[in-house]
Amino acid sequence: DAGITQSPRHKVTETGTPVTLRCHQTENHRYMYWYRQDPGHGLRLIHYSYGVKDTDKGEVSDGYSVSRSKTEDFLLTLESATSSQTSVYFCAISEFPLGTGRGTEAFFGQGTRLTVV
Amino acid sequence: KNEVEQSPQNLTAQEGEFITINCSYSVGISALHWLQQHPGGGIVSLFMLSSGKKKHGRLIATINIQEKHSSLHITASHPRDSAVYICAIFTSGSARQLTFGSGTQLTVLP
Repeated sequence: DAGITQSPRHKVTETGTPVTLRCHQTENHRYMYWYRQDPGHGLRLIHYSYGVKDTDKGEVSDGYSVSRSKTEDFLLTLESATSSQTSVYFCAISEFPLGTGRGTEAFFGQGTRLTVV
Repeated sequence: KNEVEQSPQNLTAQEGEFITINCSYSVGISALHWLQQHPGGGIVSLFMLSSGKKKHGRLIATINIQEKHSSLHITASHPRDSAVYICAIFTSGSARQLTFGSGTQLTVLP
């Protein structure tokens, strides 16, 4: 299994509070991704990183920010949590850009279940 | 409009049955990913393929690029195969992004 650890695994927070989720990898992979998974939807990309301090938005980035100050850590922050951000959050990593034909694939963490009340 | 459609959404089978899960997509792709999500929530990569067929143990994945269709087959199914199976595509020109299907919930009864 790829060395990816998400923390916390479960969190309940109140509306309006800031929340930070952490993804830590030991694979030294360059690319890291944050997804959210909701019933009836496939996983949707929030933000991704293609190197230290290099990040970009995904399709559902509103209300989220990210930071990557070290190769191994990718942080997802909800500045002011809302009930619509109740979801399961997955971090993923890849050595090369996804689907570029170099045999790369995504490896996923165990997920973080976040409930905003 | 979902670029990736999986069928069926739910599938119940008896142990030993041959299982097929389908994935259709509507855009050009560079590759397709099959993933397995365990009841505990963890997601594991099964296959990544861009043409033809791949086999790993009792799992077989095929893809037809012209027809924009992929299938995941499980031979001699077992209750431990019970999981959500997810198809995801790498869309051409968006090498950093995966577009996911909503998954197929498979339950294999003993």
